[in-house]
Amino acid sequence: GAGVSQTPSNKVTEKGKYVELRCDPISGHTALYWYRQSLGQGPEFLIYFQGTGAADDSGLPNDRFFAVRPEGSVSTLKIQRTERGDSAVYLCASSLGASGVDTQYFGPGTRLTVL
Amino acid sequence: GEDVEQSLFLSVREGDSSVINCTYTDSSSTYLYWYKQEPGAGLQLLTYIFSNMDMKQDQRLTVLLNKKDKHLSLRIADTQTGDSAIYFCAERTGNNRKLIWGLGTSLAVNP
Repeated sequence: GAGVSQTPSNKVTEKGKYVELRCDPISGHTALYWYRQSLGQGPEFLIYFQGTGAADDSGLPNDRFFAVRPEGSVSTLKIQRTERGDSAVYLCASSLGASGVDTQYFGPGTRLTVL
Repeated sequence: GEDVEQSLFLSVREGDSSVINCTYTDSSSTYLYWYKQEPGAGLQLLTYIFSNMDMKQDQRLTVLLNKKDKHLSLRIADTQTGDSAIYFCAERTGNNRKLIWGLGTSLAVNP
């Protein structure tokens, strides 16, 4: 079946602009995660949704970052007043949301470049 | 706090075994994972181990967990050039679902 998809694959923007990054999880997966990965680093947790609600947003770096999942499926990560330090690959993952190992399946990522 | 550490580079010859090591600090880890990342591709789960296990084998992959020392390793038998990638160790703690990741180990397989 289809995996996690993310759009756009690449986004170039100017400092101070607003961007939206979209994630389409695997059908039937109730849990959705956002991570970001800077060059040479491992992924860094941002936020996790269970259904429509943010169950853990402890990784959002500041109030310029916001994410929604209004219908419990597609999610949008929104970044206001972008800064050069926001440049990274933004990864989305989804899982069944079940107990136990609950494997997270990752999308290909959106590469964000802030000039 | 939570911290996961890995050595950054490993180079092996084709056909040899590779051993990638990882240490973590949080004693409440429940699951530990190994993911593979190839250029232009998403993170792919290779295997995982539950914290009450010492070892898990899955075809060419063997995971060893030393909970006392908080040390995890991934052994790849008969390493092939297609195994060249970055390997990430990640942990999940308690009831949290977020994963805490190491920096990744870049594995180079030489023919």
